[in-house]
Amino acid sequence: GAGVSQTPSNKVTEKGKYVELRCDPISGHTALYWYRQSLGQGPEFLIYFQGTGAADDSGLPNDRFFAVRPEGSVSTLKIQRTERGDSAVYLCASSSPRLGGRDTQYFGPGTRLTVL
Amino acid sequence: AQSVTQPDIHITVSEGASLELRCNYSYGATPYLFWYVQSPGQGLQLLLKYFSGDTLVQGIKGFEAEFKRSQSSFNLRKPSVHWSDAAEYFCAVGANAGPAIGYALNFGKGTSLLVTP
Repeated sequence: GAGVSQTPSNKVTEKGKYVELRCDPISGHTALYWYRQSLGQGPEFLIYFQGTGAADDSGLPNDRFFAVRPEGSVSTLKIQRTERGDSAVYLCASSSPRLGGRDTQYFGPGTRLTVL
Repeated sequence: AQSVTQPDIHITVSEGASLELRCNYSYGATPYLFWYVQSPGQGLQLLLKYFSGDTLVQGIKGFEAEFKRSQSSFNLRKPSVHWSDAAEYFCAVGANAGPAIGYALNFGKGTSLLVTP
């Protein structure tokens, strides 16, 4: 079946602009995660959804970052007043968790965001 | 604080040689452990995972990893490396905190593997 898809694959914007990044999880996966990967670093957790609600948003760096998942499937990561430091690859993952964990997160190809 | 350390930033091995990539973690309890691989321009692909049970875990592409609780390590190994194994390798740790389902992964900074002819 189809994997996690993310659009756009690349996004170039100017400092101060607003951007939206979209993630389509694997069908039937109830958990959805956003990570950010800066150049030369490992992915860094941003936020995790279980269904429509954000179960853990402790990784969002500041209030310019916001994410939604209104119908429990597709998610949008929104970044306001972008800064050059926001430039990174934004990764989305989904999983089908069970009580006690032991689920695997499957990652999409990412959206490369460049803020000029 | 919880942390994941991959001590080697770059590793170069000859094709056909054996490989070991190191991963150490600092967590309060037994974590869930993962190795992912990332090729240029590609997403993260899961190589293998450990949740509990047998401490030697087999994965895809001929990789294996061993969980050593006493050393807080989860090193990745392959007996004979192929040129196509050249990529970035990430160790990741997750911890289920109890009734909640799902959890954030904490990644190391990665090890870049170069394979020479």
